[in-house]
Amino acid sequence: GAGVSQSPSNKVTEKGKDVELRCDPISGHTALYWYRQSLGQGLEFLIYFQGNSAPDKSGLPSDRFSAERTGGSVSTLTIQRTQQEDSAVYLCASSLTTGGGNQPQHFGDGTRLSIL
Amino acid sequence: AQSVSQHNHHVILSEAASLELGCNYSYGGTVNLFWYVQYPGQHLQLLLKYFSGDPLVKGIKGFEAEFIKSKFSFNLRKPSVQWSDTAEYFCAVTGSSASKIIFGSGTRLSIRP
Repeated sequence: GAGVSQSPSNKVTEKGKDVELRCDPISGHTALYWYRQSLGQGLEFLIYFQGNSAPDKSGLPSDRFSAERTGGSVSTLTIQRTQQEDSAVYLCASSLTTGGGNQPQHFGDGTRLSIL
Repeated sequence: AQSVSQHNHHVILSEAASLELGCNYSYGGTVNLFWYVQYPGQHLQLLLKYFSGDPLVKGIKGFEAEFIKSKFSFNLRKPSVQWSDTAEYFCAVTGSSASKIIFGSGTRLSIRP
């Protein structure tokens, strides 16, 4: 497709379970970002990939959160032992990078995660 | 600390009213500034951006924003709003070498038809 694709669109799971969220960026975009949007909050940066490496993991809230990217394309965000405070919309974005931080990011529709 | 402040959390206007949404940032060095919009049920999309040059930038749907470096501000404006402008608006900043983008908490705009 032409845009950033995220799956699943909705995920409901029990506290303590592990979840995997997937992001398929726009073809050719080398940069990939994960954000979290909690109810009534702005977007919270989680992690950024340039190719398959993650130069900036500073936003991951705890060691229960991890992410990987393979083949310079699809990325997976994993949350282990989920807690109720993990409930949020998880957004993925991608951009071209030529350096300079001036590339607009293109967002997916997000995954709405609900922890019971 | 790097941050973006949007002081208006919820703005309610009538159609044809003029709009100004405030955005102030705290970020050292050269900045790139963005406004993103999220219409109900849709994903975030870019409204306009400032990288360099003319500090008054024009975006889609009649929106514009002015970068005032001395005030660390990048306010969004529209002379006459429409009901279809109902959405949430996010201001964002990134640096000249950084790719991490910092978002404000958003402003919800409601337009009365």
